[in-house]
Amino acid sequence: RKEVEQDPGPFNVPEGATVAFNCTYSNSASQSFFWYRQDCRKEPKLLMSVYSSGNEDGRFTAQLNRASQYISLLIRDSKLSDSATYLCAVRQTGANNLFFGTGTRLTVIP
Amino acid sequence: EAGVAQSPRYKIIEKRQSVAFWCNPISGHATLYWYQQILGQGPKLLIQFQNNGVVDDSQLPKDRFSAERLKGVDSTLKIQPAKLEDSAVYLCASSPSLAGSSYNEQFFGPGTRLTVL
Repeated sequence: RKEVEQDPGPFNVPEGATVAFNCTYSNSASQSFFWYRQDCRKEPKLLMSVYSSGNEDGRFTAQLNRASQYISLLIRDSKLSDSATYLCAVRQTGANNLFFGTGTRLTVIP
Repeated sequence: EAGVAQSPRYKIIEKRQSVAFWCNPISGHATLYWYQQILGQGPKLLIQFQNNGVVDDSQLPKDRFSAERLKGVDSTLKIQPAKLEDSAVYLCASSPSLAGSSYNEQFFGPGTRLTVL
């Protein structure tokens, strides 16, 4: 079983729509959680960390559900510039390396 | 602040040839990572250094891949001999420290896109 699993999509949504991605992780010892954004042919960049209490940054909201071992990312009022691949990443207790999902590709359509 | 630098950006080689990639992390970052990202997949850790020591190389195919960070700053990743399945983007990342906050951010370089023919 993979450490981290995501629906690869693609998700095609109209501008202004709300879209949500989920990501499941297999190791209950996982400690830290992140969402990265990766544009085509570019490197991943940290979008937001995911805290136990959930956190929000503008139009983006991240949630963690430890009981069900998943994290989610909600994007409200989608913009054309949100089109990218969204990677979830998980760090286990005592480690510093990240396990990444395959990424979910989002295309926002005019 | 300068980001993570990598070179070359692109490399095309034939199978069984050798290739080397170079990474210069963000100044002062103790931890350096090499990831392999195959098309359509997420990055997969190959090796992690803390200063000039190896922390984790469990996913590194040691029969053909090697990496070093001799002075605890720059790092090189080598593949010898290359196989077709090594075609991927090789990403270098760095982060400030190993201990401390569990939310140490990793900063990625632009990657080296390797094509093995």
